[in-house]
Amino acid sequence: EVQLVQSGAEVKKPGESLKISCKGSGYSFTTYWIGWVRQMPGKDLEWVGIIYPVDSDTRYNPSFQGQVTISADKSINTAYLQWSSLKASDTAIYYCVRLVVRYVFDIWGQGTTVTVSS
Amino acid sequence: EIVMTQSPATLSVSPGERATLSCRTSQSVSSNLAWYQQKPGQAPRLLIYAASTRATGIPARFSGSGSGTEFTLTINSLQSEDFAVYYCQQYNIWPLTFGGGTRMEIK
Repeated sequence: EVQLVQSGAEVKKPGESLKISCKGSGYSFTTYWIGWVRQMPGKDLEWVGIIYPVDSDTRYNPSFQGQVTISADKSINTAYLQWSSLKASDTAIYYCVRLVVRYVFDIWGQGTTVTVSS
Repeated sequence: EIVMTQSPATLSVSPGERATLSCRTSQSVSSNLAWYQQKPGQAPRLLIYAASTRATGIPARFSGSGSGTEFTLTINSLQSEDFAVYYCQQYNIWPLTFGGGTRMEIK
């Protein structure tokens, strides 16, 4: 079965750092781009950025550029989304996605809930 | 950035009826448009891509149409499991953008 399995929910304080993960299985991880999508509480979907695990070519939504870092370790079929200094406004569910047909998200992880609160 | 406008925001439909959802883009995206379904507490699921191609495993009662700036998702003979939020997404121009969603509820 093709799937993306994400790390568990996180509760952090403002200013703390965080790295969440997404492990792909059931397919060739290095063949597809992996992306991240944010959904703030009760809000719409926002594309964060994407990475090609083979060479770590990364592209960001300008709204997220400089706010997060996307990385990948192809040896363990895992992609990451990280923050160096969290803000309360980073509170959201973050989904990792597999991209096909250019930039269509065909497989979604179960989501990682990130809560940032003092 | 391409702005995506979905209408209506909420659609009340009875089971067995047909639902028609609209997505408009602020500039042409050709046929580079996808539709997703999201149920409460779940991740979105890909329904349609390339404006009218059903994703693997999606029932034939879901169909998409349109090109350029106007797109439609039609769901025939609504089933109870179809009541959810539907999002469109364009992938023609960076950054990739989503619409605000249409919530479909049982009438």
